[in-house]
Amino acid sequence: LAKTTQPISMDSYEGQEVNITCSHNNIATNDYITWYQQFPSQGPRFIIQGYKTKVTNEVASLFIPADRKSSTLSLPRVSLSDTAVYYCLVGARFQGAQKLVFGQGTRLTINP
Amino acid sequence: DVKVTQSSRYLVKRTGEKVFLECVQDMDHENMFWYRQDPGLGLRLIYFSYDVKMKEKGDIPEGYSVSREKKERFSLILESASTNQTSMYLCASSSQSFNYEQYFGPGTRLTVT
Repeated sequence: LAKTTQPISMDSYEGQEVNITCSHNNIATNDYITWYQQFPSQGPRFIIQGYKTKVTNEVASLFIPADRKSSTLSLPRVSLSDTAVYYCLVGARFQGAQKLVFGQGTRLTINP
Repeated sequence: DVKVTQSSRYLVKRTGEKVFLECVQDMDHENMFWYRQDPGLGLRLIYFSYDVKMKEKGDIPEGYSVSREKKERFSLILESASTNQTSMYLCASSSQSFNYEQYFGPGTRLTVT
């Protein structure tokens, strides 16, 4: 199973670009990398998913190097509402089924 | 708009009681999941189901069972609740592969006294 490691917490300021890196050294060939955002008292919400290189949507960008052993979630021009916990997930194939492994999450705090 | 609903937002039960947590999704998703979330431990997968009547254990299945008789409904059962099962329980669903986007419900905060 691919285990993920990400920073416990990060701080930044409004208007800045924030990059959160996740390490997944044992990622398997068929695994995808997915990031979720969670606000207090809510379930997690999908942000972005990728397999290799770079993926961009209206919310974020995801950078994945060639060896795929890490990935970086990039949030452009953050605002106070981006304060949340961010989870990096790697899809792992196990005994014919697939399951996602949630890491500890990174608590991102955006300051005025 | 996609929707995953859970039967209760807050629940208080006594030790030894049998507890049912219900989850319903309206997206015709094949896959459904039960997680628990505890401070400092993140989300941990209890059970998942990839089809009606099909289930597989996640990382922490001990003390739990599940039931999926209909595609849209996935139930988590605590046969004999214990205080260490006090937690936030989150249900999710997804289509096709587990690698795709999971939609989460609002969660059930269960307290076992």
